[in-house]
Amino acid sequence: EDKVVQSPLSLVVHEGDTVTLNCSYEVTNFRSLLWYKQEKKAPTFLFMLTSSGIEKKSGRLSSILDKKELFSILNITATQTGDSAVYLCALEDFGNEKLTFGTGTRLTIIP
Amino acid sequence: DTGVSQDPRHKITKRGQNVTFRCDPISEHNRLYWYRQTLGQGPEFLTYFQNEAQLEKSRLLSDRFSAERPKGSFSTLEIQRTEQGDSAMYLCASMETSGSAGELFFGEGSRLTVL
Repeated sequence: EDKVVQSPLSLVVHEGDTVTLNCSYEVTNFRSLLWYKQEKKAPTFLFMLTSSGIEKKSGRLSSILDKKELFSILNITATQTGDSAVYLCALEDFGNEKLTFGTGTRLTIIP
Repeated sequence: DTGVSQDPRHKITKRGQNVTFRCDPISEHNRLYWYRQTLGQGPEFLTYFQNEAQLEKSRLLSDRFSAERPKGSFSTLEIQRTEQGDSAMYLCASMETSGSAGELFFGEGSRLTVL
């Protein structure tokens, strides 16, 4: 079973802070690594990373994948209360696009 | 609404009862996935369909669980003789075969509580 480990499990910061969420994994052969945001309901897609060292960016969020060291990070700058959510990392298999998720990081932003 | 829809959104049942969840994927999506998510955990893969064919089932899926997608459109997930450990959110997701996981759309989920 592919293993995906996220850290920290939970994080509480003040509005305006910058946070870095970590995702490490054990497999070396996968199609992509994905980040999702989950606010009590369905996970919503943030980023898909396939190549090592290439940063994906969307507004205040950015992510990068390091295939050599087997990890990815998700950065959020100038955090807002609306960023409070569980952030999930997942690996995509080849072929069936099945996702293996980590346990998630629960991020809480204090106004 | 053209997203993935799931029904019911919440179900409370007594231990030993059978429950059935329905998922209606996005209409042109021929791949459909079921995941289960318990509190404090990420979603866990259960099974997936390519059109009406069930192509993979997780080893975690006991014999009490069965999923169907008879006409390659909507899917049902039935749990027989429910146990308290079945309490979870059951998520459905769909995508086109030619797509990638970045184009996987999740439904809002069906939350099951077994008393």
